Amino acid sequence: GAGVSQSPSNKVTEKGKDVELRCDPISGHTALYWYRQSLGQGLEFLIYFQGNSAPDKSGLPSDRFSAERTGGSVSTLTIQRTQQEDSAVYLCASSLIAFGRGGTDTQYFGPGTRLTVL
Amino acid sequence: AQSVTQLGSHVSVSEGALVLLRCNYSSSVPPYLFWYVQYPNQGLQLLLKYTTGATLVKGITGFEAELKKSETSFHLTKPSAHMSDAAEYFCAVSALSGGYQKVTFGIGTKLQVIP
Repeated sequence: GAGVSQSPSNKVTEKGKDVELRCDPISGHTALYWYRQSLGQGLEFLIYFQGNSAPDKSGLPSDRFSAERTGGSVSTLTIQRTQQEDSAVYLCASSLIAFGRGGTDTQYFGPGTRLTVL
Repeated sequence: AQSVTQLGSHVSVSEGALVLLRCNYSSSVPPYLFWYVQYPNQGLQLLLKYTTGATLVKGITGFEAELKKSETSFHLTKPSAHMSDAAEYFCAVSALSGGYQKVTFGIGTKLQVIP
């Protein structure tokens, strides 16, 4: 089937505005990850979902960042009161994994959303 | 706890030369190990992975990696570089942590291939 899709592909916003980024994982994948890729910073883990719950939110940089996942499928990453340092590419990945069991954990990445905060 | 260290954020090689991208990891439990590649303006895609069994793993486009547990290394190699190999390469480790599989990526290594 289709791969991981993300929307929008590009988002330009003004400082202080809220933005929502969407991720559609591969159908049947129970695990979903959000990462941030900034120039020279590599891949920064933000949050992980197993089904609809988020066992690991440790990577969210501040309380302006939140994410939810409904129906074990689509996820939305929300950034409130955006700042210029939030400018980055936000990547979503999904994997087929059983909770608490060792899976092969291959992550399939979406194309990303490039966020620019002016 | 787990971590990944990629030595060298930028590596340059001549076309036809050996490619060696270094990755060292730490993990308190046996991990799975991955290499991902990101071509310019594209998303990440899996290059190869180690889960269990043979410690020499072959991936797409002629790359391979060997797990050396004594050195906690999983270096990526290719005998002869092609121009099309120019990309950013990420090493990742996955292991059980707090009851679920936690994945940690390295900072990435940009490979430049010189004609």
